[in-house]
Order: sequence, then C-alpha cells, then structure tokens
Amino acid sequence: GQNIDQPTEMTATEGAIVQINCTYQTSGFNGLFWYQQHAGEAPTFLSYNVLDGLEEKGRFSSFLSRSKGYSYLLLKELQMKDSASYLCAVRHGGPLGGGGNKLTFGTGTQLKVEL
Amino acid sequence: DTGVSQDPRHKITKRGQNVTFRCDPISEHNRLYWYRQTLGQGPEFLTYFQNEAQLEKSRLLSDRFSAERPKGSFSTLEIQRTEQGDSAMYLCASSSPSGTPQSRGRAARNQPQHFGDGTRLSIL
Repeated sequence: GQNIDQPTEMTATEGAIVQINCTYQTSGFNGLFWYQQHAGEAPTFLSYNVLDGLEEKGRFSSFLSRSKGYSYLLLKELQMKDSASYLCAVRHGGPLGGGGNKLTFGTGTQLKVEL
Repeated sequence: DTGVSQDPRHKITKRGQNVTFRCDPISEHNRLYWYRQTLGQGPEFLTYFQNEAQLEKSRLLSDRFSAERPKGSFSTLEIQRTEQGDSAMYLCASSSPSGTPQSRGRAARNQPQHFGDGTRLSIL
C-alpha cells in the first residue's frame, strides 16, 4: 500500500525560509511531486524528483532521498502569497507496468506566512 | 486559456439524483485523470485514461461511478444515485508524453499532471 506523511500545519515569517518534509512508504516508487494549492483552487505543479538530490527552481527547491523514503520542499524569501497548502505526491508503478501514472497524495501541509 | 477546464464549477443536487461532470484536458495531452478531494485532505485517485482507454480504476470508484472518454479528448464522470458521502471536489488532470519516440517512455513518466479548478459537488 501507500503511506505519505507530512505535517498538517506550519507557520513562517515573510522573508524567511521554510522546509516542508514528506516521508513515504510505497510499492514501486516512480517519482515524487510537490504541488501548491490555494483554497478553492486547483493544485499547481511546483517540482518533481525521481533521482536522489536537490532540484532547484527559483525560490523553490525540492530534495529526495529514495533510500530514506524522504523528501522536502524548501521555500526561500517567503511572500504572503505563499500561504497555501503544499501537497506531496508519489507516483508509483501501475498494473500495466511502464512506470504507471497515478499519484498518491499526502494530506497537505497548510503553510501560513505572517508579517 | 489553454489549461484544463471543468464544468460545472459547482453542482448542488438532492440525494438520489444523478450528476455528470465534464473535463476538457489540455489539447495535446493524451492522459486524463479524475481525482476526488475532501476538505483537509489531498486528492484521491479515481481513474485514468490514456486516449480513449480507461487503464486503471480505484477501489473508491463504486459501481455508481462511471467515467468515459469516448473520442480520447474530453471526459465525463457520472455519479448515479448520489449519496451524502459523495460531496467533494472532483478534480480532473491531464498530462502528456513528450520527446522522441525512443525516449517517450521515460519522458512520459516525467510529465507532471496539470489540474483543472474542479467541480464542487454538494449533496442536500
């Protein structure tokens, strides 16, 4: 089965750096995605890791350790508009092989950025 | 706007009624997914199409739920005899393989899913 854990809530200060952790247990890991979701809106893609290491994309970076079943999303120079839910999602092998396609999401981390 | 579009945005209906939602994916995307999301939870996978073929269905998808993608473009999700527990946001996402035919398999797995704004279903 699939199990994904991430903190429910975090609070940080504008301009600061925040790290959102995600641990997972899955059969057939095939990549980890981070999405941002504002209330009432669609999840929007932030980053993707399939190999170990750090992927950097502007103010956002994501890290993966497959051996530890661990990822984090790093947000730098926080802005008020970064207040949102951050969803960790694992893609795993499907029944037809070829890598599969469905995503299993964590419950999301609600980030609140304060002045 | 060339993103994923869903219709309607909101649907309120009485318990026991049938409802149908529509999803129009990004035009060049051949993969289409349906998810369900309740308050405070992440999206849960329901089903997935590659072109017109429905390749995977979650155990969450009871026999009251049916999804189609007849021409490999837009998709519909129908819920028959709705129940209170069906109240949720129904999200559609699409993705596409890219790259050369030789690399398409690997490249396909790297393509993120792009989500629509969802249809919020409320059962009275």
